[in-house]
Amino acid sequence: DTAVSQTPKYLVTQMGNDKSIKCEQNLGHDTMYWYKQDSKKFLKIMFSYNNKELIINETVPNRFSPKSPDKAHLNLHINSLELGDSAVYFCASSQDIGTNYNEQFFGPGTRLTVL
Amino acid sequence: AQSVTQLGSHVSVSEGALVLLRCNYSSSVPPYLFWYVQYPNQGLQLLLKYTSAATLVKGINGFEAEFKKSETSFHLTKPSAHMSDAAEYFCAVSEKSFQKLVFGTGTRLLVSP
Repeated sequence: DTAVSQTPKYLVTQMGNDKSIKCEQNLGHDTMYWYKQDSKKFLKIMFSYNNKELIINETVPNRFSPKSPDKAHLNLHINSLELGDSAVYFCASSQDIGTNYNEQFFGPGTRLTVL
Repeated sequence: AQSVTQLGSHVSVSEGALVLLRCNYSSSVPPYLFWYVQYPNQGLQLLLKYTSAATLVKGINGFEAEFKKSETSFHLTKPSAHMSDAAEYFCAVSEKSFQKLVFGTGTRLLVSP
């Protein structure tokens, strides 16, 4: 199936640990994103990559580091996890910026719980 | 800076009733506007989008939205609610040349029998 997939779906970890979330899309898109949805359901963009290059970097702590090994993958590594990092993280992808519209396709989300 | 305001964190309707979810946007440039739906424990699914073509946009599942520049609004409607419409709905705005979606705070639609 063509889709945006994320692993793991659930992640429970202790404060101070380092963890990674993986995202893959097989839609042939050039741009990928990470969004964070907090406990109040508020969604906010964190990062965006276009053809493996960082194009959006919102005000996100340096503990968060995205990595794009190729344009089909965008992983999110988080160092020294804090309680406030608990959220649902969504990956998304879309066609290149040059198209007429920018529909984003979202993955199923990764629920991160920091204890 | 762009922003979106969704009035009402919860909207309750009876099955068969009209659904109206409100969205007002702020943008210094002509915007792209979107409505996404999120079912429990799932990702977001695009319902419909406005990209400067027709102001009345039809989406999936019988939903539609009308872009009103004078009111800076993009309200989502459906003539007759179905139980399966119960979900969280997000309005979002984006600049044409910059693919950053700015989301509203969401509206939970509750549908009662």
